[in-house]
Amino acid sequence: AQSVSQHNHHVILSEAASLELGCNYSYGGTVNLFWYVQYPGQHLQLLLKYFSGDPLVKGIKGFEAEFIKSKFSFNLRKPSVQWSDTAEYFCAVKGGLDYGGSQGNLIFGKGTKLSVKP
Amino acid sequence: NAGVMQNPRHLVRRRGQEARLRCSPMKGHSHVYWYRQLPEEGLKFMVYLQKENIIDESGMPKERFSAEFPKEGPSILRIQQVVRGDSAAYFCASSRQGTPLHFGNGTRLTVT
Repeated sequence: AQSVSQHNHHVILSEAASLELGCNYSYGGTVNLFWYVQYPGQHLQLLLKYFSGDPLVKGIKGFEAEFIKSKFSFNLRKPSVQWSDTAEYFCAVKGGLDYGGSQGNLIFGKGTKLSVKP
Repeated sequence: NAGVMQNPRHLVRRRGQEARLRCSPMKGHSHVYWYRQLPEEGLKFMVYLQKENIIDESGMPKERFSAEFPKEGPSILRIQQVVRGDSAAYFCASSRQGTPLHFGNGTRLTVT
């Protein structure tokens, strides 16, 4: 069965520190990968996505993620975090159509809470 | 362009009552998904609907839960005879064919 693992439950950083949040998935076929962010009291918002092509994906607010197929990883990075990045971050995977799953059946990780100290 | 609208934002029910959660997708979106988020857990897929059709309900509990997306009006997630374990945040998302999901703010259900 597909699954998504996020390695860190809670990360605490000071402003201007660099960020890397780990995400590994288990699925051998074509994958679509996503990072979502949930700011306190708000809905999930799409940060970035990978469908195909350049494995280094740029997202909103200075975030990027790198798809490494051999490692089944899709880690999220940001060179310099800000206090406003305090939120919960979710990695998700959607299997390809040939998997037979539903078109919007995303498998989410448990999330990583990021706290940025001003 | 309004986003995905869910209501109510908070819902309190006593054990044994029914809970109805509503979701209006974004304009132009015909695909609706429901997810549940338990405390300290990620979101779990429940059901995927298109207008008047349930496409995939593989994540729905077998009993007490049902969902619909009628030709007119919002999608409804219905939980009959709620129990404490149903307390969670329920998120609706919508999309067009092949596009990423847009999520609503969620409904936080508390069963007392």
